[in-house]
Amino acid sequence: GESVGLHLPTLSVQEGDNSIINCAYSNSASDYFIWYKQESGKGPQFIIDIRSNMDKRQGQRVTVLLNKTVKHLSLQIAATQPGDSAVYFCAENNAGNMLTFGGGTRLMVKP
Amino acid sequence: DADVTQTPRNRITKTGKRIMLECSQTKGHDRMYWYRQDPGLGLRLIYYSFDVKDINKGEISDGYSVSRQAQAKFSLSLESAIPNQTALYFCATQGPAGQDGYTFGSGTRLTVV
Repeated sequence: GESVGLHLPTLSVQEGDNSIINCAYSNSASDYFIWYKQESGKGPQFIIDIRSNMDKRQGQRVTVLLNKTVKHLSLQIAATQPGDSAVYFCAENNAGNMLTFGGGTRLMVKP
Repeated sequence: DADVTQTPRNRITKTGKRIMLECSQTKGHDRMYWYRQDPGLGLRLIYYSFDVKDINKGEISDGYSVSRQAQAKFSLSLESAIPNQTALYFCATQGPAGQDGYTFGSGTRLTVV
């Protein structure tokens, strides 16, 4: 799962399985959340976002769930593929509509 | 062409040298950001700008300076580079009203020897 700290947590999954990456956010007033994917040597890429008036949003093979009661965000990836191997960051908007990023989770997909 | 372009992609420099990292964007966004990423760590904000000539410090601004002379360009300078500034640097832009996510450049890998 996600943690804000010095070392990246790692999630290892088998190809074809579903992946769930978790994130605990800090600001109960945040109203916009994003998941980014960062492949090795590249910049973070937008995956999916969700606003606080929703609790679920689906994209292509990805779903984001928002639980405002416990300030928890998760990213679900269906049928994980080797190309999904990357570091995943959650982000929340804060005062001034700037984003605060979580520490990231490394997803490793085993063939 | 990429929406957010960073140059150079890779740079090796010596301790004490001044170096400038460039960022240019074609998205027409007012907000621009510079982040630093160390191996295995998350993104840390160095400086940000909400408009031309608007400059704001982030959480790790010491040892860095920035310039925003045009909407499309936001440059980051290391006045006197030191080895612990070896890192991956990312520029990002944000859409109007700040209610959108960031678009990141591909990064500059800087090594200070």
